[in-house]
Amino acid sequence: EPEVTQTPSHQVTQMGQEVILRCVPISNHLYFYWYRQILGQKVEFLVSFYNNEISEKSEIFDDQFSVERPDGSNFTLKIRSTKLEDSAMYFCASSETGRGYTFGSGTRLTVV
Amino acid sequence: GQNIDQPTEMTATEGAIVQINCTYQTSGFNGLFWYQQHAGEAPTFLSYNVLDGLEEKGRFSSFLSRSKGYSYLLLKELQMKDSASYLCAVVHGSSNTGKLIFGQGTTLQVKP
Repeated sequence: EPEVTQTPSHQVTQMGQEVILRCVPISNHLYFYWYRQILGQKVEFLVSFYNNEISEKSEIFDDQFSVERPDGSNFTLKIRSTKLEDSAMYFCASSETGRGYTFGSGTRLTVV
Repeated sequence: GQNIDQPTEMTATEGAIVQINCTYQTSGFNGLFWYQQHAGEAPTFLSYNVLDGLEEKGRFSSFLSRSKGYSYLLLKELQMKDSASYLCAVVHGSSNTGKLIFGQGTTLQVKP
């Protein structure tokens, strides 16, 4: 069964550093998403991406965050100047119209 | 505003049946998902309802009433491996590829 692949599985970074989280969506999917889940809390929407541009973003997704599809397969989330409160699981998801969302296994980001 | 409510915790016995309820108030409803999430892992798809009624899939069934803003997930013949969090998520927006808004999740503990 096709999978959404995320790397790394775990990233530890110092406060103030930049991190890039990587995702390879399912190849025939056209819609891509980033969600995050702070430990013990609910899954929160960050941003959706379609046709090489952001289609929607949440209030969490401020200037600290950016997304990019640098080539035909990767989809990245960059977090600039990380803060302690950015520590969370970050999930990438992709969707084919009307067929549901498939989530990657997540990247656990720990900011120290 | 957007609000999704589910019970925080439930306990059931192996072999029994359990029903997890979800109520929602959102605009632009385009379907409701149920996901299973084990600790530290990604949400995995269980069911999708967009029309009123019951969808059955093996040991799992999901029901939707759009007029009442209500859904439930029914798990039959419970197994120990069903111990997990169950997430109710509403598709928000004008299409079925909009963002997912998640509830807090219901942690189900299955006891022998």
